Amino acid sequence: SQELEQSPQSLIVQEGKNLTINCTSSKTLYGLYWYKQKYGEGLIFLMMLQKGGEEKSHEKITAKLDEKKQQSSLHITASQPSHAGIYLCGAPGPHGGSQGNLIFGKGTKLSVKP
Amino acid sequence: DSGVTQTPKHLITATGQRVTLRCSPRSGDLSVYWYQQSLDQGLQFLIQYYNGEERAKGNILERFSAQQFPDLHSELNLSSLELGDSALYFCASSAPGINSPLHFGNGTRLTVT
Repeated sequence: SQELEQSPQSLIVQEGKNLTINCTSSKTLYGLYWYKQKYGEGLIFLMMLQKGGEEKSHEKITAKLDEKKQQSSLHITASQPSHAGIYLCGAPGPHGGSQGNLIFGKGTKLSVKP
Repeated sequence: DSGVTQTPKHLITATGQRVTLRCSPRSGDLSVYWYQQSLDQGLQFLIQYYNGEERAKGNILERFSAQQFPDLHSELNLSSLELGDSALYFCASSAPGINSPLHFGNGTRLTVT
């Protein structure tokens, strides 16, 4: 079965620094979603990638899907305390239905020190 | 605010008991998904309903069941509760369309004692 591995598991950065989070799949990705979760709250959709080599940006967050469609990276430029939270990558799972049935990585916990 | 409403926010109950979690999807969304998030298993897909019908099943235990009503709200029923069922249960909804992202509620934190 497909698994998503995220690295690092946790990250502490100084405000203003850049950082990258990786998501690696054991199988080809047919869609990759990035979500952000604040502790004890729901997940907030950030971006979706589908095509190999695709890159999307929103504000200071950029996500890329590699050409082979097995790895995605999330890059934050000039981090701010508001970027703190848990970042999860998700991909369509094996359960059929629709692309909303996702498998998720274990998440990367980001802390930003002011 | 995602527009997805889950009640209650917290639930504390004893082993062997039965509870019902409720979810109201975003206006216009026909699909409802239930997920379970625990420290050891992470976020796992349980079940999906589309316009009142079960569409897909994930790692849902036989002790758990769900339904979606004509007004599109959904309920997740958990019975014969065990300590290991303690987790955060999320409901999400999505608009029609294969690329529509999920919009998550804030979850119900279930504690089984």
